[in-house]
Amino acid sequence: KAGVTQTPRYLIKTRGQQVTLSCSPISGHRSVSWYQQTPGQGLQFLFEYFSETQRNKGNFPGRFSGRQFSNSRSEMNVSTLELGDSALYLCASSLSDPRDTLYEQYFGPGTRLTVT
Amino acid sequence: KQEVTQIPAALSVPEGENLVLNCSFTDSAIYNLQWFRQDPGKGLTSLLLIQSSQREQTSGRLNASLDKSSGRSTLYIAASQPGDSATYLCAGRNYGQNFVFGPGTRLSVLP
Repeated sequence: KAGVTQTPRYLIKTRGQQVTLSCSPISGHRSVSWYQQTPGQGLQFLFEYFSETQRNKGNFPGRFSGRQFSNSRSEMNVSTLELGDSALYLCASSLSDPRDTLYEQYFGPGTRLTVT
Repeated sequence: KQEVTQIPAALSVPEGENLVLNCSFTDSAIYNLQWFRQDPGKGLTSLLLIQSSQREQTSGRLNASLDKSSGRSTLYIAASQPGDSATYLCAGRNYGQNFVFGPGTRLSVLP
């Protein structure tokens, strides 16, 4: 079974631009979460979706948005990029509902975003 | 709000040694806890998931325990190998909330 895939793997953008990152979960998984990982802040939660509904949202500005489609694929968008948005963006999927104790996350390889 | 810490931040051991990595959390109402490893520049690999009703989980040379009353989880690695070198992260979750990750322990196993 294929794992979580993320596209693109690497991205270089300029300050002020916007970017869209894509995540395809493991087949059959209906939950998708997004995280930002930086050396200084570690792994920080962005959003969580289950069956197209946003279940949780992290403490990020409104420039960060996401959505999930009916096939469980998810996208996140960052508008008006800032230098501080440079990070590894990780997507994780789960078979279970986020409210289930069996909720176990499987991560993709990430998208490395560099903002210049 | 759940907070997760990990001690030590880095650990270097000779091959073959048994070792313990620690994870502490502030809210004992933790719903489940998951351990991961991350190789440099890569995504996270799930190692073990412990549900709130469980005390421990085992997979091969790995054993993870959960003590909700003391706010601690430990990951025990038996007979460490150079291939175990990675950063190990724990993440805890309360009901209806997202996973909160610790900062990780960077492990080096020397041949």
